[in-house]
Amino acid sequence: KAGVTQTPRYLIKTRGQQVTLSCSPISGHRSVSWYQQTPGQGLQFLFEYFSETQRNKGNFPGRFSGRQFSNSRSEMNVSTLELGDSALYLCASSKEDRNYGYTFGSGTRLTVV
Amino acid sequence: AQSVTQLGSHVSVSEGALVLLRCNYSSSVPPYLFWYVQYPNQGLQLLLKYTSAATLVKGINGFEAEFKKSETSFHLTKPSAHMRDAAEYFCAVSASGGYQKVTFGTGTKLQVIP
Repeated sequence: KAGVTQTPRYLIKTRGQQVTLSCSPISGHRSVSWYQQTPGQGLQFLFEYFSETQRNKGNFPGRFSGRQFSNSRSEMNVSTLELGDSALYLCASSKEDRNYGYTFGSGTRLTVV
Repeated sequence: AQSVTQLGSHVSVSEGALVLLRCNYSSSVPPYLFWYVQYPNQGLQLLLKYTSAATLVKGINGFEAEFKKSETSFHLTKPSAHMRDAAEYFCAVSASGGYQKVTFGTGTKLQVIP
């Protein structure tokens, strides 16, 4: 059974650019959540999608956005990148009821220079 | 509102010694509680979860945790540490019922000394 796949694994972008990260959940999982992980702030919840609808949103500026497609694959986009956006971005999928626990991908390491 | 507090950002134990990682939670409704482990350059892996069934929960890799409502705690233990247990461990809480977001603690890095 394939796990959660995140692409790309590593990215280097320049301040002011935009970036799109991709996540393919486990087959049959319809909920996809995104987290930002940094040494200073730990794991911060970005948003969660279920059946192409954003179901929950964290406290991030509007530069951070996401979407989910009909096959449950999800993308997140960050526009006008700032140095502080450098982080590990983790995608997690779960069955309809999140309380079964997440399955995480290996993450995308974004470095903004 | 919900939150978790992990006591100790770094814990060191000798190989073969007891592992005890502490987690206290705050939740206005009955919580669901989780422990995850993260190895370097990887995502998080679910170790175990409490979802209002048995208060003593057994997970993978020999870990277990006990839900204590009176102490609002969900500490993670393992009788005998192995070198492969060296990783970062995260406690997480979610409100039971409905679609509630999961809140993670700040993590505890476990070092196992040979």
